Amino acid sequence: DTGVSQDPRHKITKRGQNVTFRCDPISEHNRLYWYRQTLGQGPEFLTYFQNEAQLEKSRLLSDRFSAERPKGSFSTLEIQRTEQGDSAMYLCASSSNRKRGDYNEQFFGPGTRLTVL
Amino acid sequence: DAKTTQPPSMDCAEGRAANLPCNHSTISGNEYVYWYRQIHSQGPQYIIHGLKNNETNEMASLIITEDRKSSTLILPHATLRDTAVYYCIVRPNTGGFKTIFGAGTRLFVKA
Repeated sequence: DTGVSQDPRHKITKRGQNVTFRCDPISEHNRLYWYRQTLGQGPEFLTYFQNEAQLEKSRLLSDRFSAERPKGSFSTLEIQRTEQGDSAMYLCASSSNRKRGDYNEQFFGPGTRLTVL
Repeated sequence: DAKTTQPPSMDCAEGRAANLPCNHSTISGNEYVYWYRQIHSQGPQYIIHGLKNNETNEMASLIITEDRKSSTLILPHATLRDTAVYYCIVRPNTGGFKTIFGAGTRLFVKA
């Protein structure tokens, strides 16, 4: 399978703990996005990378959240001092601006479901 | 905020066409209409996109009104596996643009 992969698929943690999620984009994709989705809502944009540069961050991304993409390939999203309100599905997507034509489809991974107790 | 308006839910009989409407009255000239769907517990899946011409692929057809203020996604022969939340999105087609999702339409395909 050459799609976007995320690890872990599920994470249960206690309030106050730190958690880290990983996203592996499609190999030739230079853009990577993180979204958060709560029950009954559409995904909300968190942040976006082009290669290793983090180009945009949402106001939703508080100081407890940090994302990295050190070599322009996989990315990690860390949440420090988790709160119950952080419980959500965290989705990663990737796209390429190198595709010929007017095409910028974002391919989504299966998500990591976080439950904070 | 999302720039689109969709009905919260719709029903469709299996084997019939599902027509999902979307209003995007403030769409800009450089913005495309994209449709994604999300089956329970999975990430969103791209379906189709278009600028002003009608588009068709193996999954669906997209009909965009001449003034581009609304569109309709058509699933020609809905199956039970098409039960999902369908998101209509408008965004430019170039640049690393984030996707702003609304709440979408929850489509129930019934046997």
